[in-house]
Amino acid sequence: QVQLQESGPGLVKPSQTLSLTCTVSGASISSGGYYWTWIRQTAEKGLEWIGRLHTSGSTNYNPSLKSRVTISLDTSKNHFSLKLSSVSAADTAVYYCARGDNWYDRFDFWGHGTLVAVSS
Amino acid sequence: QSALTQPASVSGSPGQSITISCTGTSSDVGGYNYVSWYQQHPGKAPKLMIYAVTNRPSGVSDRFSGSKSGNTASLTISGLQAEDEADYYCSSYTSSSTYVFGTGTKVTVL
Repeated sequence: QVQLQESGPGLVKPSQTLSLTCTVSGASISSGGYYWTWIRQTAEKGLEWIGRLHTSGSTNYNPSLKSRVTISLDTSKNHFSLKLSSVSAADTAVYYCARGDNWYDRFDFWGHGTLVAVSS
Repeated sequence: QSALTQPASVSGSPGQSITISCTGTSSDVGGYNYVSWYQQHPGKAPKLMIYAVTNRPSGVSDRFSGSKSGNTASLTISGLQAEDEADYYCSSYTSSSTYVFGTGTKVTVL
């Protein structure tokens, strides 16, 4: 069974960079056909797709966040990461990592989610 | 990209059927057969219930079904049960190679 687990600071100061890691077990992130994805959720905006990274290195990002987002892969540790720069209170959310696929464009496995608050 | 439009809430009695709509544009829902539906209980991560408009993952009850017409996709829950009370979100692939989620629907079992 594929499992994903987010980790990282629960509190980030405004203007700083939010950094999260998603550790994958039960599957290799080097496997073809999958996109490693970040999604966030707020009460105001609901679920918001942040971006994805394929093992080939190709990335796609939400246009509204593109200038601030970087998603990267560490195949040696079987995990992938999210960096979101210049954060503000509007970036306070529960952040999920998920596995997407390029056959059906679905998110079939999700992490439990981690709450990140942006506050001084 | 704008969120897909869902009704804020839908309710039904046990045993009844309910349908949740998800309206987008020709650049997302209408342009691709890549609409998924997710169920989310409070404090939990979303769970995939339907993918590629009509397909159910292994282990998901056949009481859940999906369809699409034009720019609107729909999720139907038949034989409504107390455990179906949750939030439901649709998602679609878009022409920009991104994804967009719906605004979410709270299902209440009366």
